[in-house]
Amino acid sequence: SAVISQKPSRDICQRGTSLTIQCQVDSQVTMMFWYRQQPGQSLTLIATANQGSEATYESGFVIDKFPISRPNLTFSTLTVSNMSPEDSSIYLCSVTVPGGKNTEAFFGQGTRLTVV
Amino acid sequence: GENVEQHPSTLSVQEGDSAVIKCTYSDSASNYFPWYKQELGKRPQLIIDIRSNVGEKKDQRIAVTLNKTAKHFSLHITETQPEDSAVYFCAASTFSGGYNKLIFGAGTRLAVHP
Repeated sequence: SAVISQKPSRDICQRGTSLTIQCQVDSQVTMMFWYRQQPGQSLTLIATANQGSEATYESGFVIDKFPISRPNLTFSTLTVSNMSPEDSSIYLCSVTVPGGKNTEAFFGQGTRLTVV
Repeated sequence: GENVEQHPSTLSVQEGDSAVIKCTYSDSASNYFPWYKQELGKRPQLIIDIRSNVGEKKDQRIAVTLNKTAKHFSLHITETQPEDSAVYFCAASTFSGGYNKLIFGAGTRLAVHP
């Protein structure tokens, strides 16, 4: 299994500003995933972060809006840039743990973002 | 890319009844199908999963079936209890760019009434 610490747990931000969300894992993992979950909706994959390389973004998400860092095998950040009310959502990081059920995904507790 | 559809969006049952949630996927190369339960304000938690070389898997009151030909899989909960009330997400794992990633269905809000 994996224990994931994500912070902040929630924030209220002014439009036009940026927020950086941090995700710390208690073990080394190859891939870290960032999801967005809009109120009452499903989890939509934003991007995949691999240590030592550029993140891979899904359709509809761009690096300028959601820059990601992955400085080592236990840590990643997602920045939500130039925020608008439409960015209000829950953002979750996720990892899959190597070995055994190596495609089982574990999630952080999420960051509830409100943009006003 | 992979697309996962999930039905119904809401499901209301009486305690003790069974609940069935169905999902279809589009990518025939997908090989792993987990189900997650998300309680209000909590993170998603894996409850059961199935791989493409298996047709059915059961864990106490929960079972999952997979029909690879038809590209659909289902979650079955028997003897439902109020604590089963939550949002359930199906997902399909697709191998792309050298790694597996999960694509989620839209979710089913299950309400179990005492």
